Amino acid sequence: EVQLVESGGGLVQPGGSLRLSCAASGFTFSSYVMHWVRQAPGKGLECVSAINSNGGTTYYANSVKGRFTISRDNSKNTLYLQMGSLRAEDMAVYYCARDISGSWRGAFDIWGQGTMVTVSS
Amino acid sequence: QSALTQPRSVSGSPGQSVTISCTGTSSDVGGYNYVSWYQQHPGKAPKLMIYDVSKRPSGVPDRFSGSKSGNTASLTISGLQAEDEADYYCCSYAGSYVLVFGGGTKLTVL
Repeated sequence: EVQLVESGGGLVQPGGSLRLSCAASGFTFSSYVMHWVRQAPGKGLECVSAINSNGGTTYYANSVKGRFTISRDNSKNTLYLQMGSLRAEDMAVYYCARDISGSWRGAFDIWGQGTMVTVSS
Repeated sequence: QSALTQPRSVSGSPGQSVTISCTGTSSDVGGYNYVSWYQQHPGKAPKLMIYDVSKRPSGVPDRFSGSKSGNTASLTISGLQAEDEADYYCCSYAGSYVLVFGGGTKLTVL
């Protein structure tokens, strides 16, 4: 079965750090562009970060640039998001998602179940 | 990068058709044929319904269709069913690896 499973969310204090993981299975992970998309409570979707298939190209939304780092380990079929200097506005459900057919076009055909990040003192 | 503009809500009766618009600029919707649409039920992950403006992934009913004219993309749902009630989001490529979502539209099936 093709699936993505996120982990690593939780409660963190403002200014703190957290690392999210996304374990992929059922497909050739190393062939796909992967994304992190977040959704604040009661709000819409936001593309936070993305990485191409070999890790050589990355994207960050202006809201997280300099604080978040995306990476992947194709040998472990795992995507990561290292989050630092966390703010209240980073509180959201974070989804990892696969871009369809190996290209960078925003067609997210597989999504994880999401992991909640709560930033609060 | 500004969010794409969607109506906050639309509604329709079972069996009817509804269209949700998604307005951007020539730098995103109008500039690329990479517009996608997502359906999201409460508490669930989004589901891809349309990609590349008008392509349907396997398993998505043909009641769902997409189109684009200039800087505005549209999702049409025909033969509305109760299970179509959900939030819908559009997304467009905007160049330089940037992807932008719309604010979302709540579809109510009356």
